[in-house]
Amino acid sequence: GAGVSQTPSNKVTEKGKYVELRCDPISGHTALYWYRQSLGQGPEFLIYFQGTGAADDSGLPNDRFFAVRPEGSVSTLKIQRTERGDSAVYLCASSLNSGLGPVSYEQYFGPGTRLTVT
Amino acid sequence: AQKVTQAQTEISVVEKEDVTLDCVYETRDTTYYLFWYKQPPSGELVFLIRRNSFDEQNEISGRYSWNFQKSTSSFNFTITASQVVDSAVYFCALSEARNYGGSQGNLIFGKGTKLSVKP
Repeated sequence: GAGVSQTPSNKVTEKGKYVELRCDPISGHTALYWYRQSLGQGPEFLIYFQGTGAADDSGLPNDRFFAVRPEGSVSTLKIQRTERGDSAVYLCASSLNSGLGPVSYEQYFGPGTRLTVT
Repeated sequence: AQKVTQAQTEISVVEKEDVTLDCVYETRDTTYYLFWYKQPPSGELVFLIRRNSFDEQNEISGRYSWNFQKSTSSFNFTITASQVVDSAVYFCALSEARNYGGSQGNLIFGKGTKLSVKP
């Protein structure tokens, strides 16, 4: 079946602009995660959705970052007033995690969106 | 605090050598899960294995094997008879699965080990 897809694959924007990054998870996965990966580092957690709601947004670095998942499937990560430090690869993942613990299933990652802020 | 340490930044081997990638983790939870992911030069993270904290049995899958030891908080990954196609960055990750409020499941990654296998 289809894996996690992300668009665009690359995004170059000027400092101060607004960007939206899209993620389409694996069908049937209610759990969706956003991570950010800087060069030479492991992915860092940003936000976790269970269905339509953000169950954990503790990883968002500041209030310029926001994410939505209005119908419990596709999610959009939104970054306002972009800064050069926001440049990274933004990864989306989905899993069978149901929010009912204690169990943690593997996450399947999309190819990422490489964001470059000039 | 939860933490994953992959002390080996880069490893270089010659094809057919065996190689072990180390992973040490820290967590206060009694129920947790450990994972390994592969990130080839193409960039997409590929899931390799998932292990829960109650299952310390070693696992073998083809040329891959994993050694989980709770006593030393380690979850090491061995590739036997390495091949050029094994060249990638390998990440170890930890996920806590809490009884209260359900599992969040967000992954805490190490910094990765870059493996280069030369012909």
